[in-house]
Amino acid sequence: GAVVSQHPSWVICKSGTSVKIECRSLDFQATTMFWYRQFPKQSLMLMATSNEGSKATYEQGVEKDKFLINHASLTLSTLTVTSAHPEDSSFYICSARDWADQETQYFGPGTRLLVL
Amino acid sequence: RKEVEQDPGPFNVPEGATVAFNCTYSNSASQSFFWYRQDCRKEPKLLMSVYSSGNEDGRFTAQLNRASQYISLLIRDSKLSDSATYLCVVNGGYGQNFVFGPGTRLSVLP
Repeated sequence: GAVVSQHPSWVICKSGTSVKIECRSLDFQATTMFWYRQFPKQSLMLMATSNEGSKATYEQGVEKDKFLINHASLTLSTLTVTSAHPEDSSFYICSARDWADQETQYFGPGTRLLVL
Repeated sequence: RKEVEQDPGPFNVPEGATVAFNCTYSNSASQSFFWYRQDCRKEPKLLMSVYSSGNEDGRFTAQLNRASQYISLLIRDSKLSDSATYLCVVNGGYGQNFVFGPGTRLSVLP
């Protein structure tokens, strides 16, 4: 099946710093990528939908100025958590949708963020 | 009402048991349906798609009832390796977003 990678797999940072997470589709072109966040013992919550070459669409309650999304190419989307705080500590997962198969999403392995 | 609801769980069953998970969805226009499993600290992985005619993959059987907006997953002869959280996922249609249920945790005990 299609492969999606994320980098880094985990990161620890100080409060107030910014963290960038990369999501790449390795063997297909992803016109759309999705960013999810998952807190312990909770389900995945969609944060935003990232479309190549255009602005991301954020879900209600997600601050677009805090979670910057860039989808500059068909294989790469980045999420930057700006001025991270301890409450931003979470498991961030991206997924990508192959332009040729709009019904399937392929998930990256996730990035675990811990803000001290 | 949440868009996708699942049995609250957790389910603790002995090896070899048969276990069934239920899921309901509120959007009657939903087009496609999936079961994902998620292991602790890992990303969700597709277990199987769910079709109106019902489908089976080894020990796993999924069924869909569009009239009742209900999806089920049956696991027969449970293995220890089946222990995970099972997520019911509904897609609103072509190009639409996935909506995840809260998940049901399964623990298969020796």
